[in-house]
Amino acid sequence: QSALTQPASVSGSPGQSITISCTGTSSDVGSYNLVSWYQQHPGKAPKLMIYEVSKRPSGVSNRFSGSKSGNTASLTISGLQAEDEADYYCCSYAGSRGVVFGGGTKLTVL
Amino acid sequence: QITLKESGPTLVKPTQTLTLTCTFSGFSLSTSGVGVGWIRQPPGKALEWLALIYWDDDKRYSPSLKSRLTITKDTSKNQVVLTMTNMDPVDTATYYCAHPQGSGQYFDYWGQGTLVTVSS
Repeated sequence: QSALTQPASVSGSPGQSITISCTGTSSDVGSYNLVSWYQQHPGKAPKLMIYEVSKRPSGVSNRFSGSKSGNTASLTISGLQAEDEADYYCCSYAGSRGVVFGGGTKLTVL
Repeated sequence: QITLKESGPTLVKPTQTLTLTCTFSGFSLSTSGVGVGWIRQPPGKALEWLALIYWDDDKRYSPSLKSRLTITKDTSKNQVVLTMTNMDPVDTATYYCAHPQGSGQYFDYWGQGTLVTVSS
């Protein structure tokens, strides 16, 4: 069982927006503004999409945005595109526990 | 340009020790603030952080696997080695090495991963 809780799946039509939640505890998500999000296509390595809750690495589309409230972080993808179909993982710094990941969310673009 | 690549056995027997090597380029583990981490992913399952090593030889381990893991570095060879003892079929996974940013809170570059199967 993963330390952070994500919905197993979400879906949306092209052009729509979707949000993926990531729920942790006051020992990880709630204590640090150090949440990151990764996109993983089948057979590929994860790709960093968001770091420090809401920052985007160079080259990542501004359709991807992140936020946090209390113990829950969220990833929003606007203007869904077929290429966004992938698995998404959240990750949080957890102090003495190091780094913890979520269970992953499969995004389907209908 | 940062690149990382994992290497090691694709098949190990139960109870054996796994040794994986991460060979990287584009950065140096002798530079202040730099580190290398390991993450694994069982087939069809989630990512799991394993260990981190920093330029100053500071080491961090997943609490649940700490007793089985050892991470070391060879700065001259640009390599980091992860060993995991007493392998079990549940340890079957793709093992990734990655370049951490900040104090290891996130990973901006990843290797391609190497699939390790544990079976007799």
